[in-house]
Amino acid sequence: SQKIEQNSEALNIQEGKTATLTCNYTNYSPAYLQWYRQDPGRGPVFLLLIRENEKEKRKERLKVTFDTTLKQSLFHITASQPADSATYLCAIDTGRRALTFGSGTRLQVQP
Amino acid sequence: DAGVTQSPTHLIKTRGQQVTLRCSPISGHKSVSWYQQVLGQGPQFIFQYYEKEERGRGNFPDRFSARQFPNYSSELNVNALLLGDSALYLCASSLGFSGSATDTQYFGPGTRLTVL
Repeated sequence: SQKIEQNSEALNIQEGKTATLTCNYTNYSPAYLQWYRQDPGRGPVFLLLIRENEKEKRKERLKVTFDTTLKQSLFHITASQPADSATYLCAIDTGRRALTFGSGTRLQVQP
Repeated sequence: DAGVTQSPTHLIKTRGQQVTLRCSPISGHKSVSWYQQVLGQGPQFIFQYYEKEERGRGNFPDRFSARQFPNYSSELNVNALLLGDSALYLCASSLGFSGSATDTQYFGPGTRLTVL
């Protein structure tokens, strides 16, 4: 079955630095991969989608890379701010009209 | 415009009871998906409905069922509740099928179900 791994330990960084989160997947070749942000007690909010034929995607301070050979996606937040503190989830399509999510990485940006 | 809405916000039930959760999608969206999120885990797919028909089902027991109404709202029903059913239940709507890169899913705030 498909498996998605994200760092279970929280990532703590200083304001202004770049946060880098990792998403690894096995047993599947997704056509695209998505990143979501989730705040405590709230539903996930869509951030970025990257297709298998795209190496990199940017949106404002966010950058996502997608390496289908390594089966890995990296999610970067540049010039991080305390307001970026949240849990970030990656998700892949499984071809069954559903998204399979990782367990998420909690990011804490210290002022 | 209103986003995805879910009701109730919180719910407490006892083992063996039945529960119905409700979801209203974003106006114009025809697809609704349900996910279960246990504390510390990512959302896990339960069902997808499109145009009132079930289009996808995750690995959940038959105690879980759902339906979609003509106005595209949806209900998730869980029978014979177990302690392990305690979770945040999320509803997501999209214009069309999940599985298409253009069909971004928009999540509601969820219903927090506690089974005692």
